[in-house]
Amino acid sequence: GAVVSQHPSRVICKSGTSVKIECRSLDFQATTMFWYRQFPKQSLMLMATSNEGSKATYEQGVEKDKFLINHASLTLSTLTVTSAHPEDSSFYICSAETGGQQETQYFGPGTRLLVL
Amino acid sequence: LAKTTQPISMDSYEGQEVNITCSHNNIATNDYITWYQQFPSQGPRFIIQGYKTKVTNEVASLFIPADRKSSTLSLPRVSLSDTAVYYCLVASSNSGYALNFGKGTSLLVTP
Repeated sequence: GAVVSQHPSRVICKSGTSVKIECRSLDFQATTMFWYRQFPKQSLMLMATSNEGSKATYEQGVEKDKFLINHASLTLSTLTVTSAHPEDSSFYICSAETGGQQETQYFGPGTRLLVL
Repeated sequence: LAKTTQPISMDSYEGQEVNITCSHNNIATNDYITWYQQFPSQGPRFIIQGYKTKVTNEVASLFIPADRKSSTLSLPRVSLSDTAVYYCLVASSNSGYALNFGKGTSLLVTP
């Protein structure tokens, strides 16, 4: 199947710093990528939809100035958590969508963010 | 986004067949049904996807009745390593293929 990677797999940072997470589709090109957040014991929550070459579409309640998304190429999308605070600590997961008749999303392994 | 309803949890013994049913009463004409498996601290893993009737791959089967208002994921002869959360989702180009994750079904497989 299609492979999606994320880097880093886990990151610990101090409150107030910014953290960048990369999402790459390794063996296919993805016009659309998605960013999710998952808190412990909860389901995935869609944060934003990222389209290559255009601005991301954010879900209601997600601050676009805090969660900066860049989708500069068909294989790379980045999420930058700016001025991170402890409440931003979570599991961030990206997915990339294949083309074709049956659009399928393949997910990355996730990035564990801990803000101290 | 079409809403899905699944049992919160299921238990099974090793070697048994497990069937997880998902309801999606307001599925749209263009929607596909996709099932994912998630282990703790990992991203969801694609299991199977279908539009109608029956789809089978090396790990599971997906049964979709003619009205498409429900679907059943069938896992043959489960093992302990199949203990995970299983999500049923519907999406299409109408929704930009965004996935609306519900709570999923937590499957526990015991010896």
